Amino acid sequence: AQRVTQPEKLLSVFKGAPVELKCNYSYSGSPELFWYVQYSRQRLQLLLRHISRESIKGFTADLNKGETSFHLKKPFAQEEDSAMYYCALKRGSNYQLIWGAGTKLIIKP
Amino acid sequence: DTEVTQTPKHLVMGMTNKKSLKCEQHMGHRAMYWYKQKAKKPPELMFVYSYEKLSINESVPSRFSPECPNSSLLNLHLHALQPEDSALYLCASSQMAVGNEQFFGPGTRLTVL
Repeated sequence: AQRVTQPEKLLSVFKGAPVELKCNYSYSGSPELFWYVQYSRQRLQLLLRHISRESIKGFTADLNKGETSFHLKKPFAQEEDSAMYYCALKRGSNYQLIWGAGTKLIIKP
Repeated sequence: DTEVTQTPKHLVMGMTNKKSLKCEQHMGHRAMYWYKQKAKKPPELMFVYSYEKLSINESVPSRFSPECPNSSLLNLHLHALQPEDSALYLCASSQMAVGNEQFFGPGTRLTVL
């Protein structure tokens, strides 16, 4: 079954500390994975996609096919990183996304 | 224009009312989506339109009726809703290509009394 798992509902770290938001997936084919972020009172927006291997706002994510993971990392958290983060898997050749349950990230001052 | 817009921002309706949600994009995207999002939950896909044709209906009750009048517009007609339908309704659009991202609108906050 195709599935995305984000094991942490809530993650709270201090400003300046490293952050890792976990995402594991289950998919039989070649996965396309995304991280979306939803800041308070703002629209859901794309943060990262694995095929572009980019770094946005200091965040990176590497696809590990052996561990079926796509964890989101940032070496030094900032208060403005506080938001809801969703990992998503594109379902096959159509345009559906399978969403993880989300992780609420709180950065403490 | 690189945004998806949605109107209205907020909507309160009774269970016997008929209302419509509107979504618009001018990015030339040929895939458009309706999602329902409950508080602190991920979006739940409701409908997908590809080239203005309904391609996916995720077993949504018939009290929700989507419409795609042209490549830039997407409507969601609401009739005889239930209080449990209260949620944030999100519209999104995307290119139809590998690695395409979905661009989301700000949503319509719907309350059914």
